[in-house]
Amino acid sequence: GAGVSQSPSNKVTEKGKDVELRCDPISGHTALYWYRQSLGQGLEFLIYFQGNSAPDKSGLPSDRFSAERTGGSVSTLTIQRTQQEDSAVYLCASSRQGRGRSSYNEQFFGPGTRLTVL
Amino acid sequence: AQKVTQAQTEISVVEKEDVTLDCVYETRDTTYYLFWYKQPPSGELVFLIRRNSFDEQNEISGRYSWNFQKSTSSFNFTITASQVVDSAVYFCALSEALNQGGKLIFGQGTELSVKP
Repeated sequence: GAGVSQSPSNKVTEKGKDVELRCDPISGHTALYWYRQSLGQGLEFLIYFQGNSAPDKSGLPSDRFSAERTGGSVSTLTIQRTQQEDSAVYLCASSRQGRGRSSYNEQFFGPGTRLTVL
Repeated sequence: AQKVTQAQTEISVVEKEDVTLDCVYETRDTTYYLFWYKQPPSGELVFLIRRNSFDEQNEISGRYSWNFQKSTSSFNFTITASQVVDSAVYFCALSEALNQGGKLIFGQGTELSVKP
């Protein structure tokens, strides 16, 4: 079946503009994650969605970052008033998420969106 | 605090050599999960393995093997008879059961270069 897809694959924007990044998870996966990969910071968790539960936003670096997940499927990560330090590859992952301490399912990653802020 | 350390930033070997990638982790949780992911030059993260903290049995998959030792908080990854196609950045990651969201804490990655 299809894997996680992300669009656009590349985005170049000017400082101060808003951008939207899209993620389509694997069908049937209830959990969706956003991560950021940058040279200086490595791979960082940003936000997590699971079903109808409130998202875990603990990794968002500032209030310029937000994300939503509509209908429990597609997710959009929005960065407002972009800054040069926002330049990175934004990765989305999904998993079949179980509940309970002994339950875990591996995350499958999309190809990422490379964001460049000029 | 949770943390994953991959002390080797870059490793270069010649094809057919064995190579071990080190991973040391820190966690307060008694139940946790450890992972290795491969990121080839194409950029997409590829899942390799998951280990649960309550299962210390080592695992072998073809030329890949993993050594999990709770006593030293390590989860090392060995590639036997390396091949050029193994060239990639390898990430070790941790997820704590306390955080039922399952977010991954990644190490900084080890860039493996296998030369012909």
